[in-house]
Amino acid sequence: AQSVTQPDIHITVSEGASLELRCNYSYGATPYLFWYVQSPGQGLQLLLKYFSGDTLVQGIKGFEAEFKRSQSSFNLRKPSVHWSDAAEYFCAVGEGTDKLIFGTGTRLQVFP
Amino acid sequence: DAGITQSPRHKVTETGTPVTLRCHQTENHRYMYWYRQDPGHGLRLIHYSYGVKDTDKGEVSDGYSVSRSKTEDFLLTLESATSSQTSVYFCAIRTGSQETQYFGPGTRLLVL
Repeated sequence: AQSVTQPDIHITVSEGASLELRCNYSYGATPYLFWYVQSPGQGLQLLLKYFSGDTLVQGIKGFEAEFKRSQSSFNLRKPSVHWSDAAEYFCAVGEGTDKLIFGTGTRLQVFP
Repeated sequence: DAGITQSPRHKVTETGTPVTLRCHQTENHRYMYWYRQDPGHGLRLIHYSYGVKDTDKGEVSDGYSVSRSKTEDFLLTLESATSSQTSVYFCAIRTGSQETQYFGPGTRLLVL
C-alpha cells in the first residue's frame, strides 16, 4: 500500500539557520507530491507541489523541495528560517486515484 | 483562498447524539473531501465526493456518512457521536487535474 513517512516528529532550529524536513514515500510510479503547512489553529496551506519535469520545485515563503526518485524522497528546504515559519508541515502523495495520502507531520520550532 | 467555509467552527456534543458538519464552496469544484486530523496520525480521509450524489469511502469511514445534493455543499454526518470522534475535521476541494487540494479552516468537535 502507498505510504508517506515523515521521520522527524519535532525539529528545533535557530532563527536564520537552514532547514530540511524529510519526506519518504512508497509508490510504484512517479507520484504527485505536495508539502502543506499548518499554523496553530489554522487550516492547511499549500507550500509547493511536484508533478513532473524539473525535480527542484520552488514554493511560497522561500521554500523549495527536491524530488529524488532513487531515494523515494521529497525533502523540503529553506536556507534561512524565520520565526514565523514555526508550524507543522505535512508531506502528501497523490496516487492517481483522486486521493492524497498524508504523512504524520513534522512540528517545527524556531528559537530566536 | 479557495472559497471554502466550514460550519460550525466549533461544536461540543454528547455521546450518542447526531452531528452534521457542513462544507461550502463557492467555485463549483467537482471534488470535495472530508478529513479528520488527530495527533500522531496526520490527516486521514473519511469520505470524498466526485460529483452531486457521487461519494466514496476513505480509510476511516466507519461511523460517518456524507451527502452531496448540490455542487457547493458537502455534508458530513456522525449518526451517533462517540468520544473517539473527537477531532478536528477539515474539508478540502480539488482544483482541476493533478490532485491539488485546498483546505477549509476546520471544525473542532468535542464529544463528551
